[in-house]
Amino acid sequence: DAGVTQSPTHLIKTRGQQVTLRCSPKSGHDTVSWYQQALGQGPQFIFQYYEEEERQRGNFPDRFSGHQFPNYSSELNVNALLLGDSALYLCASSLRLGPSYNEQFFGPGTRLTVL
Amino acid sequence: GNSVTQMEGPVTLSEEAFLTINCTYTATGYPSLFWYVQYPGEGLQLLLKATKADDKGSNKGFEATYRKETTSFHLEKGSVQVSDSAVYFCALKSNYQLIWGAGTKLIIKP
Repeated sequence: DAGVTQSPTHLIKTRGQQVTLRCSPKSGHDTVSWYQQALGQGPQFIFQYYEEEERQRGNFPDRFSGHQFPNYSSELNVNALLLGDSALYLCASSLRLGPSYNEQFFGPGTRLTVL
Repeated sequence: GNSVTQMEGPVTLSEEAFLTINCTYTATGYPSLFWYVQYPGEGLQLLLKATKADDKGSNKGFEATYRKETTSFHLEKGSVQVSDSAVYFCALKSNYQLIWGAGTKLIIKP
């Protein structure tokens, strides 16, 4: 049973560029959440997607956008990169319904470095 | 707003010592509470959870009890091992998102 997968593992970009990160949820999961984890800190919620729509959004600017595909996989796009966007980006998948609906399963993350 | 506060690290213990990592929360209602662990070079793993007051979550020898009166969810283990060295995060579920503490780094010395 494949867990949550993310690509790429590492990414280096320069200020002003755009980046796309990808996530495949755990088999059977229909909901994807994205988090940003700065070094030495806890993750911060960016947004959550369900049924191809953004269901909730955290305190992040419009430069951060996302998409969910019919197969439940998801992309996170960040435009006009800033140095402060350097972080580990985590994808988590979950089920909207069922006894485990509260549990989010995390991928290994994508380490983004902005120079 | 909702928030989670956990004790600052690093916490350094000898093998077989008793572990407590404190976690308190501020929230409206009674959110589900979680402990996640992040081993070096790995992703976040769910360690245990509790969904209502007085629930005790347990896994791999770790335990935490949902205390409504003190708004706490402290993580405990009776005898730690070197392999428990990791960063531990306390989190609460608020609507669709998880709200996290800053993490506590645990170092276990042989």
